[in-house]
This record gives sequence, C-alpha cells and structure tokens, in this order.
Amino acid sequence: NAGVTQTPKFRVLKTGQSMTLLCAQDMNHEYMYWYRQDPGMGLRLIHYSVGEGTTAKGEVPDGYNVSRLKKQNFLLGLESAAPSQTSVYFCASSPDGHPSRKLFFGSGTQLSVL
Amino acid sequence: RKEVEQDPGPFNVPEGATVAFNCTYSNSASQSFFWYRQDCRKEPKLLMSVYSSGNEDGRFTAQLNRASQYISLLIRDSKLSDSATYLCVVNIEEYGNKLVFGAGTILRVKS
Repeated sequence: NAGVTQTPKFRVLKTGQSMTLLCAQDMNHEYMYWYRQDPGMGLRLIHYSVGEGTTAKGEVPDGYNVSRLKKQNFLLGLESAAPSQTSVYFCASSPDGHPSRKLFFGSGTQLSVL
Repeated sequence: RKEVEQDPGPFNVPEGATVAFNCTYSNSASQSFFWYRQDCRKEPKLLMSVYSSGNEDGRFTAQLNRASQYISLLIRDSKLSDSATYLCVVNIEEYGNKLVFGAGTILRVKS
C-alpha cells in the first residue's frame, strides 16, 4: 500500500518557468491538500479539495493552481515560477474533513526557483 | 500574532531525560489538537491527538488547557530516536476544519 505519493522529489526551475507537481493517493480519500513548508514557519495550506472535481483556496493560494480530475490525483501547478515559491511542498490526504482526522502526507517535493 | 506558536528550541537533552514542550493557540473556537513529529527532510507524521482530559501513549503525555489556550507534550525517558521536530497542530473552524501547523520545536537527544 503506497499511501500518498508525490512526484517529483526535487526540481530546480528558472524564474518564469512552469511546472506541475503530482500527488496520488490509493486510500480512496475524499480530501486532499497541498501545503508548503518554509524555514521558521509552519506548514501553510495552499489549496485543498473535498472531492473529485472540487478545489478551494487555502491560506496562500496566489501563484498556484490546482486540479482534481480524478479522486486519487491532486495536481499543483505553478504557471510562472518566482523565487518566493522556493519551498518544500507536501501533499496530504484524509478520509473526510472531520476535525479529528489525521492527515496522511506524501514525502515532499523540494523546489528551488532561481 | 501567529495562530499557533511554539518555542523553536532546539532543546538539547541527554538520553533518559524528561522534556516538555508547550504550544499556544489564538483561536478559542479550535476543536481538535494534535502533535505531529517530523524527522529531518521527511514528511510530518501524527504522534498523538490531544484530548481534553489529557492522554498518554507510552512515554508521551499530552495535555490541553482550554482556559489558557495551550497544549503540552511531555516526553519521559528520552531516546536518541526521539530527536526530531515536534509540530503542534490545531483545527481552526474558520478554515473549514482544516489544520493549522505551528513552526515546530526541535528536540535533540544526545548520548
């Protein structure tokens, strides 16, 4: 059972380039999330999805877009990368949005924008 | 003011020591509380949920003080393998029951 899988694990971009991060989960979870983690700060929610075909903005959505065309996949896109988007990105999923639910995380993507 | 605040540490302790971390949260409507553990360059993993009456899991004890809006984590008989960053996590209803993470407290256990 793979759980939550993120690809790629590392990526270096030049300013203005675009890319897509893929998150896949095999647990049939309804909710999926994208977070970014920066030094000295907690994980911050970028976007989330409460089910196939739905997306919603989190705390720091600017500069990112997402899609959830299939229940098991949640894609995070950067249309024009900026150095401020250098970060570690984590995808997570949960069975539903109940406040007591734990999150299952992917192993992260280290993104550097030069 | 940050919604969830933690002492970043690092806490450097010898093996076998008892160590405690506190975390404060600003939103009194918060419903659920957790401690996650994050190893260097790894993903966060749930360590334990925190219940109103306090709860224990082996060497780990979590407490919640709603009146003062803080939670704590106590680790007894520290092991080298306990070295990690401990994240305080709070559910905040305003964000549709999504979780808000503290920046973490670094623990280093030394032999």
